[in-house]
Amino acid sequence: DAKTTQPNSMESNEEEPVHLPCNHSTISGTDYIHWYRQLPSQGPEYVIHGLTSNVNNRMASLAIAEDRKSSTLILHRATLRDAAVYYCILRDVENFVFGPGTRLSVLP
Amino acid sequence: AAGVIQSPRHLIKEKRETATLKCYPIPRHDTVYWYQQGPGQDPQFLISFYEKMQSDKGSIPDRFSAQQFSDYHSELNMSSLELGDSALYFCASSPAGGYEKLFFGSGTQLSVL
Repeated sequence: DAKTTQPNSMESNEEEPVHLPCNHSTISGTDYIHWYRQLPSQGPEYVIHGLTSNVNNRMASLAIAEDRKSSTLILHRATLRDAAVYYCILRDVENFVFGPGTRLSVLP
Repeated sequence: AAGVIQSPRHLIKEKRETATLKCYPIPRHDTVYWYQQGPGQDPQFLISFYEKMQSDKGSIPDRFSAQQFSDYHSELNMSSLELGDSALYFCASSPAGGYEKLFFGSGTQLSVL
């Protein structure tokens, strides 16, 4: 399985942008980069995904490095409800493996 | 919009008993994944199914088995339960294509006493 590396934890102030990094140096050409988040006592929730180009949706933006060995999830204005564990996952066709994510704390 | 439905929401069992967890994927989703999440841990992939056939296997104990039925719902059967099996069990579904996003259910909290 392709591996990802993320910081254990990050902190942000409310209403400020947050940049969550992910390294995936062993990514293959067909691996999609997915981001999910998990709030306490809830199932993981899809945030965004992409292959090569940067992606935007109503929740976040995904910036993918040109060599695809790293990516950054961008929350444009963090709210208290964004406090969660964020997982960066390389999407293989058959399996979908969570690694240690980044616990994001949002300070009021 | 329909979501992934898991039942039961909570389950309490004694050691050495058996348990069956059910997962109903979103309509027209033909791929199902099962995960186990212990307290304070990340979700661990157990097993996945595509079109009623097992497609991949993770760290699923031999005491556990699973299948996907003709209506695409899936069941995770757990026998000889141990205290360490106490965890939140998530099911996720995905439409065909292999690279689509996963939709997760709310999970089944299994407590083994």
